[in-house]
Amino acid sequence: QVQLQESGPGLVKPSQTLSLTCTVSGGSISSGSYYWSWIRQPAGKGLEWIGRIYTSGSTNYNPSLKSRVTISVDTSKNQFSLKLSSVTAADTAVYYCARGVRRADAFDIWGQGTMVTVSS
Amino acid sequence: QSALTQPASVSGSPGQSITISCTGTSSDVGGYNYVSWYQQHPGKAPKLMIYDVSNRPSGVSNRFSGSKSGNTASLTISGLQAEDEADYYCSSYTSSSTYVVFGGGTKLTVL
Repeated sequence: QVQLQESGPGLVKPSQTLSLTCTVSGGSISSGSYYWSWIRQPAGKGLEWIGRIYTSGSTNYNPSLKSRVTISVDTSKNQFSLKLSSVTAADTAVYYCARGVRRADAFDIWGQGTMVTVSS
Repeated sequence: QSALTQPASVSGSPGQSITISCTGTSSDVGGYNYVSWYQQHPGKAPKLMIYDVSNRPSGVSNRFSGSKSGNTASLTISGLQAEDEADYYCSSYTSSSTYVVFGGGTKLTVL
């Protein structure tokens, strides 16, 4: 079955760019029935949708983060990526990648999550 | 402040039923049948329990059910079990530029 795995640095310095990659295994990232999202969760807090990408390359971002976020896809590697620039301590969180079901806007498969701390 | 409003906590005894509410607006919960519910145990990733207001993914117990009335969606868990103790989040499509919104989460305690 399809599985997602996040990877990337666990520690990022303030003002730098956070970069994470999600590798999709057990299925093709190019399926037209789905899109691919990043969602984050600060410690002890709720979920925040960051954005999504379709395999066509079309993207949508949370307006609160839009000026700092870029999501890209590499179908040849079955991966999609997140870049978040000018990070501050407020960006410290567990970052999840997830598969979104297009018709339902539901996230049916999630990665295990990766903790990213912003600190000097 | 989350876009969707959930109670911070609910509790129930084993075997009982509980309901968690999720209140939005006509731009999200009330306007579309794209409400989902997620279960999250400590230190784990969320798990999809309900989509399209009331549909269960394969493998999810039929003790979990969803419904909607106006701008409020609800998740009901019947026959509470100790393993149901977790945080629960609702989400919805929204016609605003946010696209997807989550509730603040509800901590379910099984007494």
